[in-house]
Amino acid sequence: AQRVTQPEKLLSVFKGAPVELKCNYSYSGSPELFWYVQYSRQRLQLLLRHISRESIKGFTADLNKGETSFHLKKPFAQEEDSAMYYCALVGSDYKLSFGAGTTVTVRA
Amino acid sequence: GAGVSQSPSNKVTEKGKDVELRCDPISGHTALYWYRQSLGQGLEFLIYFQGNSAPDKSGLPSDRFSAERTGGSVSTLTIQRTQQEDSAVYLCASSWQPDTEAFFGQGTRLTVV
Repeated sequence: AQRVTQPEKLLSVFKGAPVELKCNYSYSGSPELFWYVQYSRQRLQLLLRHISRESIKGFTADLNKGETSFHLKKPFAQEEDSAMYYCALVGSDYKLSFGAGTTVTVRA
Repeated sequence: GAGVSQSPSNKVTEKGKDVELRCDPISGHTALYWYRQSLGQGLEFLIYFQGNSAPDKSGLPSDRFSAERTGGSVSTLTIQRTQQEDSAVYLCASSWQPDTEAFFGQGTRLTVV
């Protein structure tokens, strides 16, 4: 069975401070991993996926297969980063599973 | 259409009534997902379609929940004999292939009174 764990429900940081959202997964094969974001009153949307190795809006995420983690990081948080963030996994059965989500608040 | 469309946007129903929620995916997307989003509960997987077939129905909470997809396009999620605990936002998503970006609808907010 596949599982995605986001241990932090809430995360509050000051503007300009680094932010890291934790994501751990359990899956026996090689999964596809994603971060999705939901800004206030907007639809859930893709932020980034591990296969593309891109930096989106200053965010990066590194897949660590040894630790089965896919933590999301940004060195300098901005107020517009306040949102709900979901880590997600697709396995060989093509089921897209999400973690419980982390609400990020960036304070001025 | 330009994106995933869900209808209705809001639905208030009396306990015990049946409701149907509709999802119009992006044209050409083969994969379609239904999730339930409750306050503080994150995204709960309900069911997944690849084409018209549903390889994984494991997330449906009870036999009061069912879903179908016709013509590889529109999907309906039906909840029979609604209960107050069914109140939530029901989200639909579609993707070109299962391991590609999923595009979400705006959701249907269901309130059972």
